[in-house]
Amino acid sequence: SQTIHQWPATLVQPVGSPLSLECTVEGTSNPNLYWYRQAAGRGLQLLFYSVGIGQISSEVPQNLSASRPQDRQFILSSKKLLLSDSGFYLCAWSVSGGTQYFGPGTRLLVL
Amino acid sequence: AQSVTQLDSQVPVFEEAPVELRCNYSSSVSVYLFWYVQYPNQGLQLLLKYLSGSTLVESINGFEAEFNKSQTSFHLRKPSVHISDTAEYFCAVIAKAAGNKLTFGGGTRVLVKP
Repeated sequence: SQTIHQWPATLVQPVGSPLSLECTVEGTSNPNLYWYRQAAGRGLQLLFYSVGIGQISSEVPQNLSASRPQDRQFILSSKKLLLSDSGFYLCAWSVSGGTQYFGPGTRLLVL
Repeated sequence: AQSVTQLDSQVPVFEEAPVELRCNYSSSVSVYLFWYVQYPNQGLQLLLKYLSGSTLVESINGFEAEFNKSQTSFHLRKPSVHISDTAEYFCAVIAKAAGNKLTFGGGTRVLVKP
């Protein structure tokens, strides 16, 4: 069966510091991968998605970036965090754009 | 583009009472529909989905939803709730053709009271 992991589970970072969140999927090959952010009062927002290694589509312009160095690894990064980057970050996977399955999430607090 | 509206942001309900969570969507193309549940400090879990076929879909824990194309709705129901159903519920849609973007409603927080 497929499983999806995210780490860290919780992160507290100062404004201006860098960020790296990791997501890995097990039990499937060539999944579509997604990063969502859930912020208070703003619902769930798709940030990036990837249909293959090195292929990243950005949905919302921001100071975040994503990379997919391996087939089942998806990384969310920032060079300098803003207060507005605080939120709950969710990674998800699907097979060819079908049903999406979510990971446990990373709660990020920027102070 | 698609949009999803969940009419109720919060629904308090007594244990063993029925509950209905309303979801309406707007889309210029055909969509698949989903309900996800989020327990406190956890990720989203797929509750049920409508892809095709029978318009009434059921989950293993007693929830059901009915796709109504004419009313563009996908309301979620449970005839008798448990304390453990306390969670936030999200309705979502995705375009059938080349769909990668799930569009979510704002969520409905269900609080089951003893």
